[in-house]
Amino acid sequence: AQTVTQSQPEMSVQEAETVTLSCTYDTSESDYYLFWYKQPPSRQMILVIRQEAYKQQNATENRFSVNFQKAAKSFSLKISDSQLGDAAMYFCAYRSARYRDDKIIFGKGTRLHILP
Amino acid sequence: KAGVTQTPRYLIKTRGQQVTLSCSPISGHRSVSWYQQTPGQGLQFLFEYFSETQRNKGNFPGRFSGRQFSNSRSEMNVSTLELGDSALYLCASSPQTLIEQYFGPGTRLTVT
Repeated sequence: AQTVTQSQPEMSVQEAETVTLSCTYDTSESDYYLFWYKQPPSRQMILVIRQEAYKQQNATENRFSVNFQKAAKSFSLKISDSQLGDAAMYFCAYRSARYRDDKIIFGKGTRLHILP
Repeated sequence: KAGVTQTPRYLIKTRGQQVTLSCSPISGHRSVSWYQQTPGQGLQFLFEYFSETQRNKGNFPGRFSGRQFSNSRSEMNVSTLELGDSALYLCASSPQTLIEQYFGPGTRLTVT
């Protein structure tokens, strides 16, 4: 069975600084998708960034980028120029690429605090 | 396009009762998944429906059930409620052609 581990329950970063959230996963599959979701205090889960396992290039979305290390099964999220609105719970998630398998497996989350 | 909607947003029930939660996916999305979120267990997959058929099921007891209607709206039912069923229940929808899922705001269920 696939598992997703986020080893940092909480992190803090100064506004405008850079922070990296860690995530490791375990799977025997070779084709899959990885995601970072953000859940602000309002509770609406929002997709931040996604990575296809077959792509070697790391995904980037504005201030958010990932460091995807397939062999190490590591998928960290880097947030540059942190803003107060980035304060939220961040979930690393895994989804198989198997056809008709829409199940997403989530890590326990990392609560990110932004210090003004 | 309107986002995923869930009703009700908040619910208080008593142990032993049953509850039905509703989810309306984004227009055109045919896949609906349900997740339970608790502080202790985090986010856990309940089940997924596609075109009125359950495609995947998580490791939850049979008290948790769901269904999907022809308009893709979905309901989940929990019978014989237990205190441990208190949680935020999230619904997510996805079209067949996209990988990511879009989440609703959730239904906060409190069992007393």
